[in-house]
Amino acid sequence: AQSVTQLDSHVSVSEGTPVLLRCNYSSSYSPSLFWYVQHPNKGLQLLLKYTSAATLVKGINGFEAEFKKSETSFHLTKPSAHMSDAAEYFCVVSDQRDTGRRALTFGSGTRLQVQP
Amino acid sequence: DTGVSQDPRHKITKRGQNVTFRCDPISEHNRLYWYRQTLGQGPEFLTYFQNEAQLEKSRLLSDRFSAERPKGSFSTLEIQRTEQGDSAMYLCASSFRSGGAVPGELFFGEGSRLTVL
Repeated sequence: AQSVTQLDSHVSVSEGTPVLLRCNYSSSYSPSLFWYVQHPNKGLQLLLKYTSAATLVKGINGFEAEFKKSETSFHLTKPSAHMSDAAEYFCVVSDQRDTGRRALTFGSGTRLQVQP
Repeated sequence: DTGVSQDPRHKITKRGQNVTFRCDPISEHNRLYWYRQTLGQGPEFLTYFQNEAQLEKSRLLSDRFSAERPKGSFSTLEIQRTEQGDSAMYLCASSFRSGGAVPGELFFGEGSRLTVL
């Protein structure tokens, strides 16, 4: 069984300050982990993915995430927030066996607000 | 635009009516997924097709729900005798699965929002 917990439902930061969105996962097998972003009235977009290669993963728009197996965490960070980063962010876990079917399990989301 | 498209984007209906949503995936993608998203929650898996075969259905998909992908291209999701609890965003996603592809790289449409009065 696999699950993912996003520790904060809302995060508010000032423009230009660092962003930290926290995610813990549970998986019986070697997981693939992803962060997706959802802007208002837009489809979900893949930000970055971890698939058992480098533990520090770089994604689009300056975001990165670090896979820490000992802490079962996959936190998303960005050094400097931009107003356009305001959106809903979802941490996602996938069983690497790829049953292919319900392989994706989404967290409940973290809404990021960026204050001017 | 060659992304995943969904139609209609918004649907308001009265309780008891039937509704149908359509999804056109990215043309070369062989996998198609339906998810449901309610306010404040992450998407929940409903069902999945590989080509025209429906390979799995979630327990969330009651007998009132049916999905098809007749020729392995577009898909439809029909809800019969809608209930207020069906109000949600219905998301379609597609992917291409081959031996080297990473599971989980889904391309999502913008969703079809259903409101049941």
